[in-house]
Amino acid sequence: RKEVEQDPGPFNVPEGATVAFNCTYSNSASQSFFWYRQDCRKEPKLLMSVYSSGNEDGRFTAQLNRASQYISLLIRDSKLSDSATYLCVRMNRDDKIIFGKGTRLHILP
Amino acid sequence: GAGVSQSPRYKVAKRGQDVALRCDPISGHVSLFWYQQALGQGPEFLTYFQNEAQLDKSGLPSDRFFAERPEGSVSTLKIQRTQKEDSAVYLCASSLAGTSGASSTDTQYFGPGTRLTVL
Repeated sequence: RKEVEQDPGPFNVPEGATVAFNCTYSNSASQSFFWYRQDCRKEPKLLMSVYSSGNEDGRFTAQLNRASQYISLLIRDSKLSDSATYLCVRMNRDDKIIFGKGTRLHILP
Repeated sequence: GAGVSQSPRYKVAKRGQDVALRCDPISGHVSLFWYQQALGQGPEFLTYFQNEAQLDKSGLPSDRFFAERPEGSVSTLKIQRTQKEDSAVYLCASSLAGTSGASSTDTQYFGPGTRLTVL
């Protein structure tokens, strides 16, 4: 099992819909998790950290399920500007940082 | 304020040439990271500095890759005798805190990357 796995997509979603995708990880020693967003030919930018208790930032909700070893990202009321690649990131206790390959999201008008 | 900057933004090299990629982190940031991102892939960790100390270079793919940060600010990633498989975007990121004795969840801020093409 790869250290961080994501469905590469693309997810083609109509504007205004809700979309969710998961990221699974294999190392139970993983300490911290993040979602980054990367636009085409741009650098990754932090979208949000992920906590066991779940966290919400506007239309975005992130969840961590340590028992099943996955994190999720939910986007409500999707906008055209949400089209991007979403990278799942985990950091181990030894500070090793692992990126997933990313999930491509296309919001359709 | 100024973010992370990298230069050059684009580099074309002939196979066998040496290249040097520069990263200027955000002023005052202790930690600096280098990543390699191939087309359609996520960034792959190369190496990590805390101030001038290179604490982890386990991701460097071969001994042709060398990174330094002699004064704890600007960093240079050097690739000797470039090969076609070195073609990728090289991303630099910095974060405020060191990861030892401090929160290791500090946000990493990425530079725009250097797109290296080896012919």
